Amino acid sequence: DTAVSQTPKYLVTQMGNDKSIKCEQNLGHDTMYWYKQDSKKFLKIMFSYNNKELIINETVPNRFSPKSPDKAHLNLHINSLELGDSAVYFCASSQSDRRSPNSNQPQHFGDGTRLSIL
Amino acid sequence: DQQVKQNSPSLSVQEGRISILNCDYTNSMFDYFLWYKKYPAEGPTFLISISSIKDKNEDGRFTVFLNKSAKHLSLHIVPSQPGDSAVYFCAASMSGTSYGKLTFGQGTILTVHP
Repeated sequence: DTAVSQTPKYLVTQMGNDKSIKCEQNLGHDTMYWYKQDSKKFLKIMFSYNNKELIINETVPNRFSPKSPDKAHLNLHINSLELGDSAVYFCASSQSDRRSPNSNQPQHFGDGTRLSIL
Repeated sequence: DQQVKQNSPSLSVQEGRISILNCDYTNSMFDYFLWYKKYPAEGPTFLISISSIKDKNEDGRFTVFLNKSAKHLSLHIVPSQPGDSAVYFCAASMSGTSYGKLTFGQGTILTVHP
């Protein structure tokens, strides 16, 4: 009954490759996020989708392309992987308040995908 | 530009005593604050939150205090238990930005000794 699940949990690959990370939530939430936790342990938002629409796009290289086929899924595709992409990537979801779309609701996180670039 | 800071990388506490985790922020537009707990190899788990219209919120053993003038919040855990040992992140967001974008601190490792 995992609420937010990411696959794979670990990903080891070579520089220059293209890889994807998948995320699914079964909480019925309408907003999903991708965060990156770098070597200094900071969690930084990358993207956010609400009902399949991109609403947050932080300063992220365009080698990173999110895709939301439906509101329960948000996948992350990374082209031409670089050494600096090594990190833990977390997916999260939350439910927006229709009466107040910018209201704050706690986000629920997946267990992360540890990406290592050789 | 680090807008949310947790200046103590680690904290060690005896079981049964109080744990106090601190967090400072610089952006006065932040109006909603959260604490997350994270175990190794797991994602952050939401613990407790507070809106800027309050200065205290309590949930069982966990209490969050907010001092807006000092741009400071703290998480009190009492009594502390060994199972509380984890990394604690504070996070902040502001109304009016897109769907609750969170800005995180770098975390504090709490160790509770039996």
